[in-house]
Amino acid sequence: TQLLEQSPQFLSIQEGENLTVYCNSSSVFSSLQWYRQEPGEGPVLLVTVVTGGEVKKLKRLTFQFGDARKDSSLHITAAQPGDTGLYLCAGEQSGTYKYIFGTGTRLKVLA
Amino acid sequence: GAVVSQHPSWVICKSGTSVKIECRSLDFQATTMFWYRQFPKQSLMLMATSNEGSKATYEQGVEKDKFLINHASLTLSTLTVTSAHPEDSSFYICSASKPGEETQYFGPGTRLLVL
Repeated sequence: TQLLEQSPQFLSIQEGENLTVYCNSSSVFSSLQWYRQEPGEGPVLLVTVVTGGEVKKLKRLTFQFGDARKDSSLHITAAQPGDTGLYLCAGEQSGTYKYIFGTGTRLKVLA
Repeated sequence: GAVVSQHPSWVICKSGTSVKIECRSLDFQATTMFWYRQFPKQSLMLMATSNEGSKATYEQGVEKDKFLINHASLTLSTLTVTSAHPEDSSFYICSASKPGEETQYFGPGTRLLVL
């Protein structure tokens, strides 16, 4: 069974601070996605990374896929209260279109 | 666009009854739909993969006779929780993907409370 561990589990920071969320596995994934989920809603896709070492930027968010495609990180610069939510990584089991979700990181940004 | 809806958005039922949850892709045809369960403050757990016109593929540990999945058309998949018990109370989320695409489009979820 492929497992995705996210760290930290919880993070509470002040507005304007930077943070990094990590997503780690011992398994190789074909691709990896990052989502943000608000309470009572479905997850919303932020980005998909496919190539080992790939870096993608989405405004203040920077996503990186590990060279070996076993891990990924999400860096948020100058966090804002609107960034508050549950961040989930999800790795695709090779060739299946099935994604295994990480354990989640709950972020709270205080104004 | 790629919009996925779920109905109902929340449901309360008595223990022992069955509950049906619908997942619809509103503006695209979805050959594959996925059903997830999410307990409070936890991540999403994949329950099953639903393919139009064929039997669903269940993940290890998910009882296929308890969680009946039907994917009768390219825009509709249903999950029926049979003989529901309080431990089945959870947030059920579906997703759908377009043919040949990896991206999953998630529904808004259905919150089930079994009394």
